[in-house]
Amino acid sequence: DSGVTQTPKHLITATGQRVTLRCSPRSGDLSVYWYQQSLDQGLQFLIQYYNGEERAKGNILERFSAQQFPDLHSELNLSSLELGDSALYFCASSAGTGGRDTQYFGPGTRLTVL
Amino acid sequence: AQSVTQPDIHITVSEGASLELRCNYSYGATPYLFWYVQSPGQGLQLLLKYFSGDTLVQGIKGFEAEFKRSQSSFNLRKPSVHWSDAAEYFCAVGDPGGYQKVTFGTGTKLQVIP
Repeated sequence: DSGVTQTPKHLITATGQRVTLRCSPRSGDLSVYWYQQSLDQGLQFLIQYYNGEERAKGNILERFSAQQFPDLHSELNLSSLELGDSALYFCASSAGTGGRDTQYFGPGTRLTVL
Repeated sequence: AQSVTQPDIHITVSEGASLELRCNYSYGATPYLFWYVQSPGQGLQLLLKYFSGDTLVQGIKGFEAEFKRSQSSFNLRKPSVHWSDAAEYFCAVGDPGGYQKVTFGTGTKLQVIP
């Protein structure tokens, strides 16, 4: 158990809908990262937050947004869903922003868009 | 733009045999380099990382990797493979500074036969 939790585990929805994925980092970790793993695109870094502020942005679509709350949990919002958004979405956390900290991953949320 | 190539999509080794998974990267300067493992149906786990110093880095589960700047490679090795090592392995390259904006390879699936 990495200590990073993600809910829900599975999500099935229809095209055009909006969903919210939730991530709670390990206790004490200030950085949260979001990743997408799909058959078409492979593994991709989406976005990073550190202590409530956006730190880095990767290949995140404009239809997607994220935030990190004062209690450090993070939410990834996906809107106007398309079939191609079906993927496994991982979050990870680390203590700080540097690579010297170990990064821990959650179990992922599997999103299926029908 | 940074990129990672994992030339082997699938590798089969016998239990107890040695293992080497290849990874080549493209990056303008000295990058951060990572190896991750994803066991069947599981999330990701960071095996090891390189960002400076000794070019031979030790990771968890008995894995090690060697950074060779002249060859732009960061190959993962293990002297004796166990059946539990069957998984998919991802090499990744990132900007110096941390885990943000990493680019992942397409992965190598490892099968271990008795």
